[in-house]
Amino acid sequence: QQQVKQSPQSLIVQKGGISIINCAYENTAFDYFPWYQQFPGKGPALLIAIRPDVSEKKEGRFTISFNKSAKQFSLHIMDSQPGDSATYFCAPHKYNAGGTSYGKLTFGQGTILTVHP
Amino acid sequence: GAGVSQSPRYKVAKRGQDVALRCDPISGHVSLFWYQQALGQGPEFLTYFQNEAQLDKSGLPSDRFFAERPEGSVSTLKIQRTQQEDSAVYLCASSWGGRRTGSYNEQFFGPGTRLTVL
Repeated sequence: QQQVKQSPQSLIVQKGGISIINCAYENTAFDYFPWYQQFPGKGPALLIAIRPDVSEKKEGRFTISFNKSAKQFSLHIMDSQPGDSATYFCAPHKYNAGGTSYGKLTFGQGTILTVHP
Repeated sequence: GAGVSQSPRYKVAKRGQDVALRCDPISGHVSLFWYQQALGQGPEFLTYFQNEAQLDKSGLPSDRFFAERPEGSVSTLKIQRTQQEDSAVYLCASSWGGRRTGSYNEQFFGPGTRLTVL
């Protein structure tokens, strides 16, 4: 997992605040940049993702910002809610790998987000 | 529901025992993945199947780990002579896996099997 680094490891915010999680990657072949959300006892679930042809994507309270030159992308959660408390993973990868149309996910170490009411 | 299911959800094994973990993917999904998630870490890729063919097993940590998907649907991950370092959550994911121009083959994860080796 050395090629994908997330920060911070943990984050505590108050309800209504903004949560920001960052992901840095090394592999310039990556062309798909998703964030996954994982609740305790559950598997990860795709939250939001971006392709490198745009610098920002917004879906409701969730926004991805992408900086290709810095090889970084971030997740912003606006108006954070207690229900957002979970572990968040970035998992950049090849959109299509080897012509077989599958993506081998390389997950970051995870960020534990706690939103206090 | 119609999601990915895994069984058992929890498994405790004594060191040296063999274990078998089952994954039922979403019906019709061609691609199936196994990941290992150690405590406090992100999932790590173990192996990938396209139908019954195991196309990538580069993440299997040792020859004690074996995965199969004989009929292209249900998959089993087998760990022989378990060791304490095998303790982790084993996640299965499936995706449609077909080729559609411009589309993304999202991986849908099961809840995982938590393996504890004593």
